[in-house]
Amino acid sequence: GESVGLHLPTLSVQEGDNSIINCAYSNSASDYFIWYKQESGKGPQFIIDIRSNMDKRQGQRVTVLLNKTVKHLSLQIAATQPGDSAVYFCAETPGGGNKLTFGTGTQLKVEL
Amino acid sequence: DGGITQSPKYLFRKEGQNVTLSCEQNLNHDAMYWYRQDPGQGLRLIYYSQIVNDFQKGDIAEGYSVSREKKESFPLTVTSAQKNPTAFYLCASSVLGSGSPGELFFGEGSRLTVL
Repeated sequence: GESVGLHLPTLSVQEGDNSIINCAYSNSASDYFIWYKQESGKGPQFIIDIRSNMDKRQGQRVTVLLNKTVKHLSLQIAATQPGDSAVYFCAETPGGGNKLTFGTGTQLKVEL
Repeated sequence: DGGITQSPKYLFRKEGQNVTLSCEQNLNHDAMYWYRQDPGQGLRLIYYSQIVNDFQKGDIAEGYSVSREKKESFPLTVTSAQKNPTAFYLCASSVLGSGSPGELFFGEGSRLTVL
């Protein structure tokens, strides 16, 4: 989920297990949400997005769930692989525009 | 290959000096952005531009300036007025009016260190 300061929340999973990364948002006006993956020393990469008129969207090995009642977003990664090790950010925007507000990120570590 | 190119990758600057970070894209995207990333934190928007010769301030524009004279270029100047400029700077671009407006394409970043 979200954090403040220098210490990112960390999720450690075994290779092959499923991962669930959580994100809480506070802006009730946000109606479009995005997940990004950032590998060390690189720029973020788009993973998947979801609009507020949906509560679930699936991609390749990833699923995003949106619970608007409790303002909660999650990213599920199936059969986690070593290449999934990265920091994952959720982002939101009101009105579905392109001016994004990013969360602080979650570090995913995949153990062999 | 199409993409976003940022340079330099690493930059050291003395206090009181201005420095300009380059960002070039050959994706033919209309919109371009500059974000700042500090350790253990998310990205914060500095400036963005949706069209040539026009740009808007983001959440932390103080101490920074940009220009958009060409569609493919969006340089960022970190001025001496920026109180804490040491950070990782990320440039991005996107297609306006797409089905995924939040899909930004990022460069590899420029790490600025003020000595």
